[in-house]
Amino acid sequence: GAGVSQSPSNKVTEKGKDVELRCDPISGHTALYWYRQSLGQGLEFLIYFQGNSAPDKSGLPSDRFSAERTGGSVSTLTIQRTQQEDSAVYLCASRASAGSTDTQYFGPGTRLTVL
Amino acid sequence: AQSVTQLDSHVSVSEGTPVLLRCNYSSSYSPSLFWYVQHPNKGLQLLLKYTSAATLVKGINGFEAEFKKSETSFHLTKPSAHMSDAAEYFCVVSPNNAGNMLTFGGGTRLMVKP
Repeated sequence: GAGVSQSPSNKVTEKGKDVELRCDPISGHTALYWYRQSLGQGLEFLIYFQGNSAPDKSGLPSDRFSAERTGGSVSTLTIQRTQQEDSAVYLCASRASAGSTDTQYFGPGTRLTVL
Repeated sequence: AQSVTQLDSHVSVSEGTPVLLRCNYSSSYSPSLFWYVQHPNKGLQLLLKYTSAATLVKGINGFEAEFKKSETSFHLTKPSAHMSDAAEYFCVVSPNNAGNMLTFGGGTRLMVKP
């Protein structure tokens, strides 16, 4: 079956512009995560959605970052007024349920380059 | 709080020789532990996971890992390396709580020489 998909695969933007990154989770998965992979920080958690509950935003690095999940499926990560330190690969993952041992399945990522 | 330390940032082996990628963790909970692999320009793929069942876990592509609570370790091994094993490997801990956000180690880049 289809895995997690993300778009675009690559995004180059100028400093100060806003960007939107999209994630399509595996159909039926109720939990959705965003992570960031950067040279200096490694892989770090950003935000978590579970069903219709309020998201856990504890990993967002600043208020320029926000995310939403519409209809419990597709999610969009928005970065406002991008900075060069935002350059990274942004990874989305989904999980089948709230079961604590369920596996998170990752998408291929969006590589963001801020010039 | 939880953390993961991958003791080697780079490991180089010859094809056909054993692979050992070391991982130590700390966690306030009884965690789940995972190994993910990332090939160049590819997404993260799950190799194996430990979830408090058998301490020796077998994964895909001949990899296995042993959970040792007394040593807080979860080292990844493979008896015989293949060229296609060259990739970055991440040891990951999950707290087994409702959110289950993953904490990643810094990664180990495995190089396989012919």
